[in-house]
Amino acid sequence: DSGVTQTPKHLITATGQRVTLRCSPRSGDLSVYWYQQSLDQGLQFLIHYYNGEERAKGNILERFSAQQFPDLHSELNLSSLELGDSALYFCASSVETGANEAFFGQGTRLTVV
Amino acid sequence: DAKTTQPNSMESNEEEPVHLPCNHSTISGTDYIHWYRQLPSQGPEYVIHGLTSNVNNRMASLAIAEDRKSSTLILHRATLRDAAVYYCILRDGGYNNNDMRFGAGTRLTVKP
Repeated sequence: DSGVTQTPKHLITATGQRVTLRCSPRSGDLSVYWYQQSLDQGLQFLIHYYNGEERAKGNILERFSAQQFPDLHSELNLSSLELGDSALYFCASSVETGANEAFFGQGTRLTVV
Repeated sequence: DAKTTQPNSMESNEEEPVHLPCNHSTISGTDYIHWYRQLPSQGPEYVIHGLTSNVNNRMASLAIAEDRKSSTLILHRATLRDAAVYYCILRDGGYNNNDMRFGAGTRLTVKP
């Protein structure tokens, strides 16, 4: 158990809909990272939050947004869903500096039909 | 873009050592070298990390070249459960660690 919790584990929804994925970081970790992994593809970095502030954006579509709340949990909102958004979405948490390891959740599998 | 280069795939025999290479020629002085692995249908998991000196833990060893432009993850006795994609990434040890980008990694196949 990495200590990072992602909910839900599975999500099936229709095209055009909106969903929210939730990530609770490890206790004490202020950084949360979000990733998208399509079938047999690599981990695509989406966005990084640190203590409630957005720190970096990667290949995140405008239809996607994220936020980190005062209790440090984070949510990734995906709207106007398309078939191509079907993927595994992972979050990771870490102490801020790279001198420390990062820990990943088990992911949310999103299927858009 | 990922700052590391790894072979796409490697094979190993069960119970033999495995050396997974990683090149990071543009590494900066404050970059830590991290290794993660992703087993099928699971989230990535931390393996090991280091700055300059070689590191050992219960999972693996990390050998870092003297000029730090390359490193090698060593699994001392591969098991079938070690079959995974292994990622080598750099993370700034300072307070500018604003993203954590992964490349394609090395897919390790372990043969019985």
